[in-house]
Amino acid sequence: DPKIIQKPKYLVAVTGSEKILICEQYLGHNAMYWYRQSAKKPLEFMFSYSYQKLMDNQTASSRFQPQSSKKNHLDLQITALKPDDSATYFCASSQDYGGRYEQYFGPGTRLTVL
Amino acid sequence: GDQVEQSPSALSLHEGTGSALRCNFTTTMRAVQWFRKNSRGSLINLFYLASGTKENGRLKSAFDSKERYSTLHIRDAQLEDSGTYFCAADASNNRIFFGDGTQLVVKP
Repeated sequence: DPKIIQKPKYLVAVTGSEKILICEQYLGHNAMYWYRQSAKKPLEFMFSYSYQKLMDNQTASSRFQPQSSKKNHLDLQITALKPDDSATYFCASSQDYGGRYEQYFGPGTRLTVL
Repeated sequence: GDQVEQSPSALSLHEGTGSALRCNFTTTMRAVQWFRKNSRGSLINLFYLASGTKENGRLKSAFDSKERYSTLHIRDAQLEDSGTYFCAADASNNRIFFGDGTQLVVKP
């Protein structure tokens, strides 16, 4: 059974639209994260949450907004989509906040913005 | 990334052979984690180390915080080992920095 679920697996959007990427973890973890990997860039850390509170934000654009309705949910809302937003977005979780705790990654959502 | 230098960027191995991947860090890191991104795009945890070495099957990893490096050794490579391998290092400010990845191709 998958422990971290990301939905959808693939997503195609038009420029200027808005999408929400879903992430749910069933590991009982207290911290969750979002990462992004574009085609020509290394994996980038975006956000970290601990007990549903934002801890770190390394994303310059306010178009990216995490949403945590439950402790085991951390969705990512992206508004005014641009072609440069095309990437695979990975959700991860760890027992507690901080890089010293091993992080478990979801399968990713591959977003293509046309 | 700037904090992590991963090498080589690409590696081709024949089945049954082995090699090592390396990540050098520009600053002292508290821990390192190694991942493999498979053909489906999913990230798979391989190792998490705060110090020393760990071994799992044909993979072995080492981390030396003082000397600022980590290695991932692959022995007896198999076709299913193909993928992109990343190291990720935990800096003291709880930020995680990733290497650029090593694209490994294992050939028959």
